[in-house]
Amino acid sequence: AQSVTQPDIHITVSEGASLELRCNYSYGATPYLFWYVQSPGQGLQLLLKYFSGDTLVQGIKGFEAEFKRSQSSFNLRKPSVHWSDAAEYFCAVRSGGSYIPTFGRGTSLIVHP
Amino acid sequence: EAQVTQNPRYLITVTGKKLTVTCSQNMNHEYMSWYRQDPGLGLRQIYYSMNVEVTDKGDVPEGYKVSRKEKRNFPLILESPSPNQTSLYFCASSLQGSGRGGASGELFFGEGSRLTVL
Repeated sequence: AQSVTQPDIHITVSEGASLELRCNYSYGATPYLFWYVQSPGQGLQLLLKYFSGDTLVQGIKGFEAEFKRSQSSFNLRKPSVHWSDAAEYFCAVRSGGSYIPTFGRGTSLIVHP
Repeated sequence: EAQVTQNPRYLITVTGKKLTVTCSQNMNHEYMSWYRQDPGLGLRQIYYSMNVEVTDKGDVPEGYKVSRKEKRNFPLILESPSPNQTSLYFCASSLQGSGRGGASGELFFGEGSRLTVL
């Protein structure tokens, strides 16, 4: 069965600093990988996704993520964080034959001015 | 505008009083799903539907019912709500497909319904 681990429950960064949120998955074949963001009081919005091809994917709001098969990871990065990036971030994985994604428990990003 | 609409957004009710949370999408998506979000537990799937008249249990279906009579609507029914169903609920939909060359399987979420059961 597929599973997703986001090892950091909370991450605190200063505005302007770089950011990396970790995501590890467990699945035999190449999965479909997603990062979603949930701003306060909002639903989840897709940041980026990976299916195949270039392992470095660009998303909205200046985010990017890198798929590393050898490490079963799909970490989310941003070179310079803005205060408006404070939100909950969810990594998700689904197998090629299933339309049902599995979500990680989320990482809460706190941005200090 | 493509969207998933949930109602009500906020509800306070009492134990045992039946309630329905509606969900409607205007994107002609086949797949629809309900999740609940609780602190420290992330998103947990309650029920999902692959198409009209096709529904299945997710990870935490106890105490909930769903129906899918029309493609656009997927209501969540709490026949006899209890305090442990106090939570933030999300409806989501996606276009089915192969993922590679087909639909991405990206989920589109509603804005959430915060339910409190006293």
